[in-house]
Amino acid sequence: SQKIEQNSEALNIQEGKTATLTCNYTNYSPAYLQWYRQDPGRGPVFLLLIRENEKEKRKERLKVTFDTTLKQSLFHITASQPADSATYLCAPPDSNTGKLIFGQGTTLQVKP
Amino acid sequence: GAGVSQSPSNKVTEKGKDVELRCDPISGHTALYWYRQSLGQGLEFLIYFQGNSAPDKSGLPSDRFSAERTGGSVSTLTIQRTQQEDSAVYLCASSSRSGTSGQETQYFGPGTRLLVL
Repeated sequence: SQKIEQNSEALNIQEGKTATLTCNYTNYSPAYLQWYRQDPGRGPVFLLLIRENEKEKRKERLKVTFDTTLKQSLFHITASQPADSATYLCAPPDSNTGKLIFGQGTTLQVKP
Repeated sequence: GAGVSQSPSNKVTEKGKDVELRCDPISGHTALYWYRQSLGQGLEFLIYFQGNSAPDKSGLPSDRFSAERTGGSVSTLTIQRTQQEDSAVYLCASSSRSGTSGQETQYFGPGTRLLVL
């Protein structure tokens, strides 16, 4: 069955460093993948979408890569700030229904 | 409205009672989703409405759960005879998705925190 895996352990980094979060998927090849941010007590907020024919996508300090060979997407935040602290969810679509499948999320903590 | 709204924001109920959770999607969005998120867990898909099509109920965990969407807009998720394991945050999302190949962006509401005592 289609499976999405994100590192369940929280990622703690120092302000100014680059944060890198990983999303691995198995048993299928999604046509695209989305990344969302979720703050405590709030619903997820869309950040970026990357398609299978795009190796990299950027938005301000955010960068997403999509490696269809490794079946992996990496989410980078450069020059991280304490305000970047949140849980980040990857979400590719189900190959049969097209509905988004949300990963469990990785919590990022940026320390000042 | 400007975004997806949900009510109530918090609900405490006793085991065995029925609860209704409401979602107001973004105006014009044809697709509406309900998810459940337990503490520290990911989003669990519950049900999906798309336009006038029959809803996709494949994620509903039991027949105690049901949902409807009236007039293609507001949706209500009903949980009958609530159990303690139903305690979670229930999130609603809407999108302008059409068909199964659309690369939709989902817009989420703030959620309803349900606690079953």
